[in-house]
Amino acid sequence: ETGVTQSPTHLIKTRGQQVTLRCSSQSGHNTVSWYQQALGQGPQFIFQYYREEENGRGNFPPRFSGLQFPNYSSELNVNALELDDSALYLCAGGDSATDTQYFGPGTRLTVL
Amino acid sequence: QKEVEQNSGPLSVPEGAIASLNCTYSDRGSQSFFWYRQYSGKSPELIMSIYSNGDKEDGRFTAQLNKASQYVSLLIRDSQPSDSATYLCAGGPSGGSYIPTFGRGTSLIVHP
Repeated sequence: ETGVTQSPTHLIKTRGQQVTLRCSSQSGHNTVSWYQQALGQGPQFIFQYYREEENGRGNFPPRFSGLQFPNYSSELNVNALELDDSALYLCAGGDSATDTQYFGPGTRLTVL
Repeated sequence: QKEVEQNSGPLSVPEGAIASLNCTYSDRGSQSFFWYRQYSGKSPELIMSIYSNGDKEDGRFTAQLNKASQYVSLLIRDSQPSDSATYLCAGGPSGGSYIPTFGRGTSLIVHP
């Protein structure tokens, strides 16, 4: 049990639509990171939040955006969905004392 | 560009054997390293962390780190069919918020 939950589990959208994915971590996780994992690839870093502010960003376009809330919840928003956005989206709660990241179960997004 | 390289496999070993998984990294500033196990369709599960040169043992798992050679490995003793999964190596610089780079993973198959 990592203490990180995500919703929804699966999602199907069409190209051009917008999607919001949600994550909830626990106290002790002072960072929240989002990753995209395509089939057969390792997780690719999207961005990280620390104390509700974006703390780092990977090589993703601005249509990927996010928020972190005071209650350890976070969301990832993706606008203008493209077919290549189909992937497993992972949220990770982080413990900066040990650099450890704990993953939630993920959201499988399919874009048709 | 920071890279973490893993042989995608599959690595096939018989039940009871030692499985050896290897990882190299390009960023000499990397200080914290992690091994995750990922079953098909599931999210990554933390197995071990290693921060110092040498070996670290946890049950059937031993992580090895050689910073001079920029090399990390994971040994699984007495491999079981339930160990069949993809193993992800991750590493990055420590300090402040930690943003690891992941390898694409090595597929391990343990056959009875």
